[in-house]
Amino acid sequence: DGGITQSPKYLFRKEGQNVTLSCEQNLNHDAMYWYRQDPGQGLRLIYYSQIVNDFQKGDIAEGYSVSREKKESFPLTVTSAQKNPTAFYLCASSDDPSTDTQYFGPGTRLTVL
Amino acid sequence: EDQVTQSPEALRLQEGESSSLNCSYTVSGLRGLFWYRQDPGKGPEFLFTLYSAGEEKEKERLKATLTKKESFLHITAPKPEDSATYLCAVQAGAQKLVFGQGTRLTINP
Repeated sequence: DGGITQSPKYLFRKEGQNVTLSCEQNLNHDAMYWYRQDPGQGLRLIYYSQIVNDFQKGDIAEGYSVSREKKESFPLTVTSAQKNPTAFYLCASSDDPSTDTQYFGPGTRLTVL
Repeated sequence: EDQVTQSPEALRLQEGESSSLNCSYTVSGLRGLFWYRQDPGKGPEFLFTLYSAGEEKEKERLKATLTKKESFLHITAPKPEDSATYLCAVQAGAQKLVFGQGTRLTINP
């Protein structure tokens, strides 16, 4: 059963802590993406990766970091430098990043206490 | 700057009352326009991709159309289960989608 999984579904963080959000896909897609969604706003791109061991910053990369050591995994770390991290985080993947559809995971809701 | 604007922000219809959602875009070199459906607390679900003006695609009660400046998502005889937020996105440069803020659709029984 192919798809994208994200964990955890809900995450609570104290101020000053780093947290890592997991994203795994078994679709054999080359490209993976991280978006942030805030109420009333469109999805905004944080980071994306076209191939293993390579990734690029999106529009709002400050305070975030990623790695792409395996094709199927693209974890996102929200660092203490991110000033307003409370949001819904979405991971996506696509087979051909130049023209193809991005498919999304179920999301992780991060709340800073 | 690439931009996507969706209207209306929210739409409430009675079951069976057909209507359309609008997605206006400004982009240099459109490579594709995407429609997604998003239920509360869940990830977006892919609906359609449109690549060129004049193209149309249908799925059950939904039909998406594309012109050079906008796309419409027509919903015919909607049911309560069609209630969701509908997202529009455009792909201009490589790898990057630009999303609108969405239209929240409510279908009352």
